[in-house]
Amino acid sequence: LAKTTQPISMDSYEGQEVNITCSHNNIATNDYITWYQQFPSQGPRFIIQGYKTKVTNEVASLFIPADRKSSTLSLPRVSLSDTAVYYCLVGEAAGNKLTFGGGTRVLVKP
Amino acid sequence: KAGVTQTPRYLIKTRGQQVTLSCSPISGHRSVSWYQQTPGQGLQFLFEYFSETQRNKGNFPGRFSGRQFSNSRSEMNVSTLELGDSALYLCASSHPGQPNTEAFFGQGTRLTVV
Repeated sequence: LAKTTQPISMDSYEGQEVNITCSHNNIATNDYITWYQQFPSQGPRFIIQGYKTKVTNEVASLFIPADRKSSTLSLPRVSLSDTAVYYCLVGEAAGNKLTFGGGTRVLVKP
Repeated sequence: KAGVTQTPRYLIKTRGQQVTLSCSPISGHRSVSWYQQTPGQGLQFLFEYFSETQRNKGNFPGRFSGRQFSNSRSEMNVSTLELGDSALYLCASSHPGQPNTEAFFGQGTRLTVV
């Protein structure tokens, strides 16, 4: 499984855009990139998944360059409720066996 | 539709005892995975069950076991509890084999071993 590296923590302010970059140099051809969000004492929640280029949904955007060795999760106009830990996962698309790294703790300040 | 349900939410056990945790997946989901989350080790995969068979297993000792029933509900058991087993145990269900699947997690069972 490809190892991922992401910042340990990031601070932001309400209304700003938050971009979290994840490095995954050893990503395999069949691997997808998936991001999960986790609030304290709750299970992780799926945010977005992509394979290449750009993916956007109602919550976030995921940017993946052509070499796929990194990806950036973009959270537009964050609010206090977006304070959470964000995990970047790289692996096959099936959600039945996930390998979590350390995640990025995002703190949104008023 | 109802989400993943884990019971109980909180549990306190004594060292040496055993514990059984329960997970009811989302209706129609046949894959159930279990994870352990601790401050020191983070989120770690325990095992996955599909159609009543253990299909994947993480790197945990044999004291950790599980099973899945014909209705896809799953249980995990930890025997001879140790203090280090104190953790949030999370269950997730998913549709394996389909593209772009996501895992749906329950709220977890907080186990404290004293």
